[in-house]
Amino acid sequence: AQTVTQSQPEMSVQEAETVTLSCTYDTSESDYYLFWYKQPPSRQMILVIRQEAYKQQNATENRFSVNFQKAAKSFSLKISDSQLGDAAMYFCALGVLETSGSRLTFGEGTQLTVNP
Amino acid sequence: ETGVTQTPRHLVMGMTNKKSLKCEQHLGHNAMYWYKQSAKKPLELMFVYNFKEQTENNSVPSRFSPECPNSSHLFLHLHTLQPEDSALYLCASSQQTSGSGVQETQYFGPGTRLLVL
Repeated sequence: AQTVTQSQPEMSVQEAETVTLSCTYDTSESDYYLFWYKQPPSRQMILVIRQEAYKQQNATENRFSVNFQKAAKSFSLKISDSQLGDAAMYFCALGVLETSGSRLTFGEGTQLTVNP
Repeated sequence: ETGVTQTPRHLVMGMTNKKSLKCEQHLGHNAMYWYKQSAKKPLELMFVYNFKEQTENNSVPSRFSPECPNSSHLFLHLHTLQPEDSALYLCASSQQTSGSGVQETQYFGPGTRLLVL
């Protein structure tokens, strides 16, 4: 079974500053993927960034980057130069491929507030 | 816009009603999913359809009945629901390549907010 834990229910950051959201996970699978999704007030779940577990290099996507520590089973998201539009609920997710298809296990989410 | 649409966006129904949620993906994917998102809880996977066949049912009550007529459309038929079924229902799709071992990204629709009275 897979578990994902986000220990920060809420975070806040000043506009233009940097914030890091934490995520830890547990799985017995050797091949898996990690995702950060963003859910703004519109409730649309939007992919932010994805990391393949077999890759040592941390994924980056413009202002978003991850710190993937495989041995520690940690997958944090760093948002640089925060913008008002970054305010949303952020979900960390662990993906494994089973015979039935891809399966995502989500954390409980971190609500990010961006202060002007 | 992720290429996955859901209708209706909002639904209020009584416990004796029958309604259906619709999901359509325009991404050419072959796998579709239903998730339930309740307040203060992580997303819960309900159903998986892979190549139009239901491959997973996570012990979902029979008052929820999925239907996948083709690889682009997914329905969730609802009947005799309970107030605790009130939640946001999210549909997602992905492209599964059989035997590739690749975890494909799931793309989500905007959800249907359901209120059961």
